[in-house]
Amino acid sequence: KNEVEQSPQNLTAQEGEFITINCSYSVGISALHWLQQHPGGGIVSLFMLSSGKKKHGRLIATINIQEKHSSLHITASHPRDSAVYICAVRNLQGAQKLVFGQGTRLTINP
Amino acid sequence: KAGVTQTPRYLIKTRGQQVTLSCSPISGHRSVSWYQQTPGQGLQFLFEYFSETQRNKGNFPGRFSGRQFSNSRSEMNVSTLELGDSALYLCASSPLGGERSEAFFGQGTRLTVV
Repeated sequence: KNEVEQSPQNLTAQEGEFITINCSYSVGISALHWLQQHPGGGIVSLFMLSSGKKKHGRLIATINIQEKHSSLHITASHPRDSAVYICAVRNLQGAQKLVFGQGTRLTINP
Repeated sequence: KAGVTQTPRYLIKTRGQQVTLSCSPISGHRSVSWYQQTPGQGLQFLFEYFSETQRNKGNFPGRFSGRQFSNSRSEMNVSTLELGDSALYLCASSPLGGERSEAFFGQGTRLTVV
């Protein structure tokens, strides 16, 4: 079993819909990252969380440390949000090492 | 402030050759980490350098090596290339690295081994 599991693996939605991507992890962590990867490969860091909730524009990320679960929400989704979203955790045992989920491929249709 | 710069962006090499990839971190960042991304394995940690010292290493064979220079620029080297080394290689920089540092990623180098 992977240390970091994301669901769903693929998600297709219509423009304007509310999107939720989930991330569950099985190890103790010091921080959780949400990353966005567009075709072509470059990765953008969206959020780094160690507790609670963060909001940036239409993006909201939450984390529940007790349940070892995080969610990324996109409100009023737009075709430009189409990308792969990756959850990554910093393991307490290996603080410099990020462990990644397999990613969620999001497609927003106009 | 310029972002993380990786060169080259694309590379084609033959089995058995060696390759060197370069990563210039954001100015002032002292930590550089390297990652390999393949369709089958996803993103995997290779190693992390801080102030010219390797602080952590992932589960990759000794053919994968790296170094960091005094200006924080980092290189990774893969010797005796295998077809399975074809991947997107990403580097990320952060001010200090460690557990609460945000990572800033480069665009990656796409390596194809033929």
